[in-house]
Formats: sequence, C-alpha cells, structure tokens
Amino acid sequence: DVKVTQSSRYLVKRTGEKVFLECVQDMDHENMFWYRQDPGLGLRLIYFSYDVKMKEKGDIPEGYSVSREKKERFSLILESASTNQTSMYLCASSPTGTGRYQPQHFGDGTRLSIL
Amino acid sequence: EDKVVQSPLSLVVHEGDTVTLNCSYEVTNFRSLLWYKQEKKAPTFLFMLTSSGIEKKSGRLSSILDKKELSSILNITATQTGDSAIYLCAVEGGGADGLTFGKGTHLIIQP
Repeated sequence: DVKVTQSSRYLVKRTGEKVFLECVQDMDHENMFWYRQDPGLGLRLIYFSYDVKMKEKGDIPEGYSVSREKKERFSLILESASTNQTSMYLCASSPTGTGRYQPQHFGDGTRLSIL
Repeated sequence: EDKVVQSPLSLVVHEGDTVTLNCSYEVTNFRSLLWYKQEKKAPTFLFMLTSSGIEKKSGRLSSILDKKELSSILNITATQTGDSAIYLCAVEGGGADGLTFGKGTHLIIQP
C-alpha cells in the first residue's frame, strides 16, 4: 500500500511566520503534489514536482514555495503566513508509469490555522 | 482554464437506495477522469477512466465515461450508511499536471 505521510495533522501559526509543511512518500513515486482544500472551492493545486529539485507552479502558487531535495520528500513553505492561508493542505504522490495516467495517492492532510 | 462540475452538491437518501452522481468537465487535452471518496481524512482512490463507454466496477460501485458528452457518472447500488462521504471527481488535462477537482457531492445515507 502506498503511504503518504504529512508531518502534522493540526498546526496553528501566527501571521507573518514562516511555515513548513512536510510530506514523505514511501513508494519511490516521481510525482508529488500540494493542494489546499477549502469549503465550497474543492481541492486546488498549489505546486507539483516531477523529480528531485524540480518544481512547477499549479493554479494558486502565490504566497507559497516548495522544496524537493530528496525524491521521497516534498515540502510546502509559506514564506510569510497570512490569515487567508488558513486551510486544509493535502499532499499527494503518483508514479510516472506509462504516460502519466496514474492515480494520485493522498496523505491525511494538515489543517493549518493562521492567527 | 480547466473546469470540473459535479452535481448534485449534496444528496440524502435511505439505505438500500441507488444513487447516481454526475461529473462534467471542460479540459484541454483530456487524459483521464478519476473518482475519489473522501470521509474524514484524505481522498481515497476509487476509479480512473480513460476510455469512453467502458464501465469500471468495484462491488456496488460502478462508473462510466462519456467522452462525447464530456461527462462521467458514478453509481452506487444498495447504498449503506458507510457510503456516506464526499465523492470527488477530478480530471487530468493538458494544463498543470496536477488534477482539477470538482467541488464534490456530499452524500448522506440515512438508516
């Protein structure tokens, strides 16, 4: 079974802080993704990565950055947290396989509150 | 911009009923459509559809893709209270290589 582990289940931070959300997968997947989930808006893609040290912007990258120094780990960074970044953050991974038609597997999510 | 629309947004039925959830999409360079079930934690994968007209089945759940109509349905027969969840439809297209998700259908099965 694929295991995608997010470091924190709940996190509370203050406005202006630098926040790190960590995600680790144990299946040697090439692709990793960060989404945020908000009521009424569904899941929206923030950043994704195809390989180590490689990153691509998703639909809502503003205010975020990412780091992928090792294949199994993909970090989401909030450079200066703001209250509108209070949300549920979900990490996912998928293998490349034939084409890229592979389902993504999700971690349990980090519920982040910015005060 | 890729777009995925699910209907209904919420649905309440009784145990034993059959339900049909709808998903329509507008994407450039369609690759695949996926259904996920989300309970209290992360979405769990149900089906991936890439070919039109081929039904995928898993127990009481089934799904089919209609590329001509740019849509898919998810059927659940003989529903049980454990089927209560948010069902998410997502599409992989030619844009950003993550998935574009619909807002989900919140399904509640009453005993």
